[in-house]
Amino acid sequence: DGGITQSPKYLFRKEGQNVTLSCEQNLNHDAMYWYRQDPGQGLRLIYYSQIVNDFQKGDIAEGYSVSREKKESFPLTVTSAQKNPTAFYLCASSVTNNEQFFGPGTRLTVL
Amino acid sequence: SQQGEEDPQALSIQEGENATMNCSYKTSINNLQWYRQNSGRGLVHLILIRSNEREKHSGRLRVTLDTSKKSSSLLITASRAADTASYFCATDPSDKIIFGKGTRLHILP
Repeated sequence: DGGITQSPKYLFRKEGQNVTLSCEQNLNHDAMYWYRQDPGQGLRLIYYSQIVNDFQKGDIAEGYSVSREKKESFPLTVTSAQKNPTAFYLCASSVTNNEQFFGPGTRLTVL
Repeated sequence: SQQGEEDPQALSIQEGENATMNCSYKTSINNLQWYRQNSGRGLVHLILIRSNEREKHSGRLRVTLDTSKKSSSLLITASRAADTASYFCATDPSDKIIFGKGTRLHILP
């Protein structure tokens, strides 16, 4: 089945620790995106990548880092510099600016 | 500030009634999209309307676009319990898509 997967579904982190969220797609999409969603809010763009080995900051990139070494994979690292990391994180992929396909999300909680 | 903003923020209607939600945006776009999100899940694409289109249908969904007013509406006809979700519009004023804060739709039995 084609699709986009995120793991883990739930993640707990102690303050001061870095944590990496996985995002994989087998849709052969060039573009991939990371969003953050807080309760009752819309999506805010963290980072996006339109091609392998290239990525751009979104609206709230501070405290996050990404890599795009393979077309299929776009992992997001939440660093200890992110002041309020508890949130729901969504990964998506697309062909340019058309329909985005979303993963099921990872809910990160900082203890 | 948000490029796209949905209105109302929340909407409760009886099952079987029609639900209408609106999206306003600020700058020129190529496409406008609507997505649905069930609680705790990822978003699901519903429909894309291009800037040169005025109306589009997909099943029980009807989307309109008025580029002169920079607004769009999503109509869900004959609502069902399964339509309970948040609905987001997304616009493309630049090289990335921007989502609004969404309308939370609750279908009452």
